[in-house]
Amino acid sequence: GDSVTQMEGPVTLSEEACLTINCTYTATGYPSLFWYVQYPGEGLQLLLKATKADDKGSNKGFEATYRKETTSFHLEKGSVQVSDSAVYFCARSGYSTLTFGKGTMLLVSP
Amino acid sequence: DTEVTQTPKHLVMGMTNKKSLKCEQHMGHRAMYWYKQKAKKPPELMFVYSYEKLSINESVPSRFSPECPNSSLLNLHLHALQPEDSALYLCASSQVPPTDGYTFGSGTRLTVV
Repeated sequence: GDSVTQMEGPVTLSEEACLTINCTYTATGYPSLFWYVQYPGEGLQLLLKATKADDKGSNKGFEATYRKETTSFHLEKGSVQVSDSAVYFCARSGYSTLTFGKGTMLLVSP
Repeated sequence: DTEVTQTPKHLVMGMTNKKSLKCEQHMGHRAMYWYKQKAKKPPELMFVYSYEKLSINESVPSRFSPECPNSSLLNLHLHALQPEDSALYLCASSQVPPTDGYTFGSGTRLTVV
């Protein structure tokens, strides 16, 4: 079945460091790919998406490129801020639902 | 309107109580979802409604009863819950199929005492 694998955390960085969170997905069908972010005590918010191979999603300084050849959708940011501390979920679309990865907690210290 | 609204935000209930969680969207989405999320875990799918019909029930205990009165509303009726049912309950909506992803509500934090 559909699955998404993302790196385990927590990822601990200092402010202004570079971020990469790895995500790979099963290649069945032609899924759309997503990154969601969840701040403490809140629901999940869509951070960015890509709907086909080689698309790049971007938002708030975060980027991810849909790589069909490596079945990957890694999340990157050049300079993280304390306010980026949250849990990040990678997801792929299926026939009727989204499949989520297990989530990666990011902790950014001043 | 690009929001999914969930009420209440917090709920404390006893094991013999009956309560309901409510979710509303006005995005024109025709699929709505209930998820359960425990601390430090990803959301777990409970139910999917597509065009107001229940299409997926992930073997959820009968003490959870979903209802979709119309295309904008989704309820989750709770009865005789257990302490282990304490969690964040998330509602989401999407197009059919969800190729543009879900829009989530902010959730109801449920505590069963």
